Amino acid sequence: DADVTQTPRNRITKTGKRIMLECSQTKGHDRMYWYRQDPGLGLRLIYYSFDVKDINKGEISDGYSVSRQAQAKFSLSLESAIPNQTALYFCATSGSGGDQETQYFGPGTRLLVL
Amino acid sequence: AQSVTQPDIHITVSEGASLELRCNYSYGATPYLFWYVQSPGQGLQLLLKYFSGDTLVQGIKGFEAEFKRSQSSFNLRKPSVHWSDAAEYFCAVGAHRDDKIIFGKGTRLHILP
Repeated sequence: DADVTQTPRNRITKTGKRIMLECSQTKGHDRMYWYRQDPGLGLRLIYYSFDVKDINKGEISDGYSVSRQAQAKFSLSLESAIPNQTALYFCATSGSGGDQETQYFGPGTRLLVL
Repeated sequence: AQSVTQPDIHITVSEGASLELRCNYSYGATPYLFWYVQSPGQGLQLLLKYFSGDTLVQGIKGFEAEFKRSQSSFNLRKPSVHWSDAAEYFCAVGAHRDDKIIFGKGTRLHILP
């Protein structure tokens, strides 16, 4: 079984709708991250969390919110989706020990906002 | 400012040929360096990483990378590519106990039969 899972894998929604992307991990890691990937722009950090009580904004947090429901779960919400949020979204995790700098990625969620 | 540059957006090589993907970084602290690969429709998989020690790092799938501090580079190499190596490759930089890593914009590798 995959260590980092994302649901859904694909989603089509309409402008103005609220949607949630979910991430779960079985690696026992404390740190979790949400990125979006756009062609030619690489990965850009949206939000990250070091533990359940710690949430931090990344490079491009506007229009997004997150919830860290448990150590293993980190959800990304788009309160009112807009077309330029069409992208591939990745969740990642890292540990807090000696290898905390290495991030492990989920398979991605492809989102299309019409 | 911290940054990672991958100068080549696309690279095309013939199957069996050697490969070098370039990565340059700008980072104030001693960097931790990573190469990730993203196959079509897949997430990112860690190929290799450099934290300290030997500047030539071996990774999975026959890849290696060399850290050159004087050139601020961490180029990825493979002596003989296979068709299955066609993917997008991302270089990334971070630092010890830093809270996040920075990714380059990626290099897409195409393999000619």
